[in-house]
Amino acid sequence: TQLLEQSPQFLSIQEGENLTVYCNSSSVFSSLQWYRQEPGEGPVLLVTVVTGGEVKKLKRLTFQFGDARKDSSLHITAAQPGDTGLYLCAGVGAGGTSYGKLTFGQGTILTVHP
Amino acid sequence: EAGVAQSPRYKIIEKRQSVAFWCNPISGHATLYWYQQILGQGPKLLIQFQNNGVVDDSQLPKDRFSAERLKGVDSTLKIQPAKLEDSAVYLCASSLLAGPYNEQFFGPGTRLTVL
Repeated sequence: TQLLEQSPQFLSIQEGENLTVYCNSSSVFSSLQWYRQEPGEGPVLLVTVVTGGEVKKLKRLTFQFGDARKDSSLHITAAQPGDTGLYLCAGVGAGGTSYGKLTFGQGTILTVHP
Repeated sequence: EAGVAQSPRYKIIEKRQSVAFWCNPISGHATLYWYQQILGQGPKLLIQFQNNGVVDDSQLPKDRFSAERLKGVDSTLKIQPAKLEDSAVYLCASSLLAGPYNEQFFGPGTRLTVL
């Protein structure tokens, strides 16, 4: 069974601060996805990182995939109240019975105070 | 393009009662997934369909949970009888095809409370 440890579980910061969320696993994934989930809604895909060492930027969000494709991070610069939400990482299985399947981390609840 | 539709959005039942959830995926999407998301956790895959066939139901508690996708389009997930620990959000997702390069699109979920 593949596991994905996400940290921190909760993050409460002031507007303008920077933050980083981590996802770590002992398993290799074919790719890693980051989702954002609003209350009462399903997760919405933000980005998929595929290549080891890959870095993708989405405005103030920077996503990185570890060289060994086992871990990833999400960095938000100058957080805004609109960034508030639940952030989920999900590893996409690389082979065997896990091929193509999503394994989610526990999620990080981010609150950005004005 | 319409998204994944789910109903009901909320359901409150007592333990040992039965409940059913419905999902209508994005038109043309062959693969359909049901996930369980317990408060404070990430979604956990319960069952995956490819058209009307089950691809993976290894994490479905088959003594009480069942799911079907008879015509390869919409799907129902049933719990009978419900337990307190079944309280969760049940998410339906669909993708054009299965596999690692096909984005899954999630519905809004059904929040189940078992009293």
